[in-house]
Amino acid sequence: DAGVIQSPRHEVTEMGQEVTLRCKPISGHDYLFWYRQTMMRGLELLIYFNNNVPIDDSGMPEDRFSAKMPNASFSTLKIQPSEPRDSAVYFCASSLAGEADTQYFGPGTRLTVL
Amino acid sequence: KQEVTQIPAALSVPEGENLVLNCSFTDSAIYNLQWFRQDPGKGLTSLLLIQSSQREQTSGRLNASLDKSSGRSTLYIAASQPGDSATYLCAVTAHTGNQFYFGTGTSLTVIP
Repeated sequence: DAGVIQSPRHEVTEMGQEVTLRCKPISGHDYLFWYRQTMMRGLELLIYFNNNVPIDDSGMPEDRFSAKMPNASFSTLKIQPSEPRDSAVYFCASSLAGEADTQYFGPGTRLTVL
Repeated sequence: KQEVTQIPAALSVPEGENLVLNCSFTDSAIYNLQWFRQDPGKGLTSLLLIQSSQREQTSGRLNASLDKSSGRSTLYIAASQPGDSATYLCAVTAHTGNQFYFGTGTSLTVIP
């Protein structure tokens, strides 16, 4: 398997624009996680899905953020409208069902909002 | 390449006991160190974040220390509770800020 795939790897946009980040989890993994990493706050969990269903979105910072998982092989994280403080690296991770399974992280998307 | 190790791999303690989890890393050029908790089937929950210039951070019953020069961090849990049962992970962020490395994890069981 190619591992968790994220696109784009880098995104530069202007304030107010819509941004869509994409993730393809490892085939067969039932769990998908979206994280945000900033230098000041470290790694933060935004939302996670189990079998395509959002389980916990308490980490989503504002209504401007939304995430979907239309099928087992694809998820999106959307920010609309984007703001400079959204600049961060966004990671997607997936894991098998089970007890404290290892999460496999994608390479991340570095988002810069000007 | 940065290597992060956690000892012990598993720990079982009776409720009420104080305990220490250890994390060591090979490259002291880090930006920060973060302790996470992982419950089965859930995402990582950040517990404490220590910037490289800091020596320790406290949150409730948790205290994390950082000795960057020796490549070590400890997570101290006071008066452990059954609800503390989980896997604890430490992760270091490279000084460049664009990579992080997870430890091997410590599986903690607190027995009522």
